[in-house]
Amino acid sequence: GENVEQHPSTLSVQEGDSAVIKCTYSDSASNYFPWYKQELGKGPQLIIDIRSNVGEKKDQRIAVTLNKTAKHFSLHITETQPEDSAVYFCAAKKGPEYGNKLVFGAGTILRVKS
Amino acid sequence: DAGVIQSPRHEVTEMGQEVTLRCKPISGHDYLFWYRQTMMRGLELLIYFNNNVPIDDSGMPEDRFSAKMPNASFSTLKIQPSEPRDSAVYFCASSFPTGAYNEQFFGPGTRLTVL
Repeated sequence: GENVEQHPSTLSVQEGDSAVIKCTYSDSASNYFPWYKQELGKGPQLIIDIRSNVGEKKDQRIAVTLNKTAKHFSLHITETQPEDSAVYFCAAKKGPEYGNKLVFGAGTILRVKS
Repeated sequence: DAGVIQSPRHEVTEMGQEVTLRCKPISGHDYLFWYRQTMMRGLELLIYFNNNVPIDDSGMPEDRFSAKMPNASFSTLKIQPSEPRDSAVYFCASSFPTGAYNEQFFGPGTRLTVL
């Protein structure tokens, strides 16, 4: 089955700096890659996603890149702010013919120091 | 919409007791997912339903765990008997009908502690 690895497990940055979180996946049939943000005491919330027919997607200060050949994708947060502090999860999913399961990475704890 | 609703938010019970976690998905969503989150194992999918029918329960750890979805607006996850290693945060999530790229909306979770 699909396996998603995520690095680093913790990341500490100064406010205003950029943060990058990287994930690799194992199953070339995966074609959908969402990123979720989980704040303390809450459930994960989708912040951005990318499909396999796209190499990069941006939404204000966050962007995601996908390299299908290497089977890895990354989350980039620019101009980090204290409210970006949270746990971030990457995930991968195959097409609907394989079901509707998301496989999550282990998560990255991001701390933005002000 | 109030989002995905889970109850209780916190549950403390003793080993051997039955535990029932409840979930109300977002109206109109026809997929419902149950996840378990622990420090050691991260976010694991236990089971998911489509149109109230269980589709994949391969993540259910053992026979002590069972899940039902009697109608489109309610699901339960039951653990009987509970064990200390079941202590975790359990999330319910739901998503829109069909499609390959549908966002899953998570509830606030139930923190279960088994003593």
